[in-house]
Amino acid sequence: DVKVTQSSRYLVKRTGEKVFLECVQDMDHENMFWYRQDPGLGLRLIYFSYDVKMKEKGDIPEGYSVSREKKERFSLILESASTNQTSMYLCASSLIARGGLGELFFGEGSRLTVL
Amino acid sequence: DAKTTQPPSMDCAEGRAANLPCNHSTISGNEYVYWYRQIHSQGPQYIIHGLKNNETNEMASLIITEDRKSSTLILPHATLRDTAVYYCIVVRTNAGKSTFGDGTTLTVKP
Repeated sequence: DVKVTQSSRYLVKRTGEKVFLECVQDMDHENMFWYRQDPGLGLRLIYFSYDVKMKEKGDIPEGYSVSREKKERFSLILESASTNQTSMYLCASSLIARGGLGELFFGEGSRLTVL
Repeated sequence: DAKTTQPPSMDCAEGRAANLPCNHSTISGNEYVYWYRQIHSQGPQYIIHGLKNNETNEMASLIITEDRKSSTLILPHATLRDTAVYYCIVVRTNAGKSTFGDGTTLTVKP
């Protein structure tokens, strides 16, 4: 089975701290994604990557950056955390497929609280 | 990517078929319809996808109208474990990004 592992299920950080959210997938997928999920707003795409060292902005990239140095690992970075970044963060991966972006495999999520 | 519209919530009796509609009236020819579901406190799970033909797998069936402007996800015999938020999304071929809306909260009742 494909496994997408997010480094922390729960994090509590203070305003202004630098935050790293790590995601690792074990199926050699080309595509990796970071979403955030908030009540009433659904899942919103922050950034995605379709290859090592490649990244593209999603719908809400402001305040975030990403890093993909290895194919299996995609990191989300909050350079200076703010309270409005308190959210559930979901990582996903997929193969490149003719049928659209391919089946997305999601991790369990990381719930970040910024105080 | 085309926008989708789903009802915010639906109920279904256990053992009955659950029919979840999705409107995607601005879909274009190279866009696929995907369905995912999210059970509370877990990441979303892929269910099924299609382009224009109806599709069936072990989880569900997907019926796409001939004009492709809407689709219906069918869970043939809903169980309590099917209670979840169901997301319908439309994605361009080989496009990297996808956007999830608010989805439909399906509650299966005994």
